[in-house]
Amino acid sequence: IQLTQSPSFLSASVGDRVTITCRASQGISSYLAWYQQKPGKAPKLLIYGASTLQSGVPSRFSGSGSGTEFTLTVSSLQPEDFASYYCQQRNSYPVSFGGGTKVEIK
Amino acid sequence: EVQLVESGGGLVQPGGSLRLSCAASGFTFSDHYMDWVRQAPGKGLEWVGRTRNKANSYTTEYAESVKGRFTISRDDSKNSLYLQMNSLKTDDTAVYYCVRVDTNFYLDYWGQGTLVTVSS
Repeated sequence: IQLTQSPSFLSASVGDRVTITCRASQGISSYLAWYQQKPGKAPKLLIYGASTLQSGVPSRFSGSGSGTEFTLTVSSLQPEDFASYYCQQRNSYPVSFGGGTKVEIK
Repeated sequence: EVQLVESGGGLVQPGGSLRLSCAASGFTFSDHYMDWVRQAPGKGLEWVGRTRNKANSYTTEYAESVKGRFTISRDDSKNSLYLQMNSLKTDDTAVYYCVRVDTNFYLDYWGQGTLVTVSS
């Protein structure tokens, strides 16, 4: 299953509302997760089951969607949110990731 | 506190072999499926493969790109995960992460990664 993220790159300011899209090449129900990765660090699980926030993740992060189209939204971008974001499906093997979205400071 | 610590990375020539290890602590290792995920320099994440737990006969799954060359194994008595990599190619150059799979089959804890460089 191919996951296509858009945009690949996003320039935004602190306080902006940001939305990243992930499209699956076939239906994956709600078996989708979102990860955040900062430079030189390991990825961190943010959201699973398309919309469930992982423990400890700020509520400004939210996820939605099912089937083939999913979104990750940050309601008010904070300085620590500038990072790369990846979607991942666990509906079927092989597990796959989207190509990533890099969020940079405008 | 869950900890995953990879080791064994380094420089290897094309066609060579390398074995990565991951030492786990802070959770009941034997209960969990475990994955390897890699990231080539400046690139995105690529799932390498998975080992299931004893209850699921330690069966494995692999990405097509590594099938037949890489083998994932585990030793629950040592709380350790392994990745045996044979017939290495330059395209295998990446940081390799050891990852815990949670009960919902998402990747909830990641190690810090170990760099494998395949070059002559």
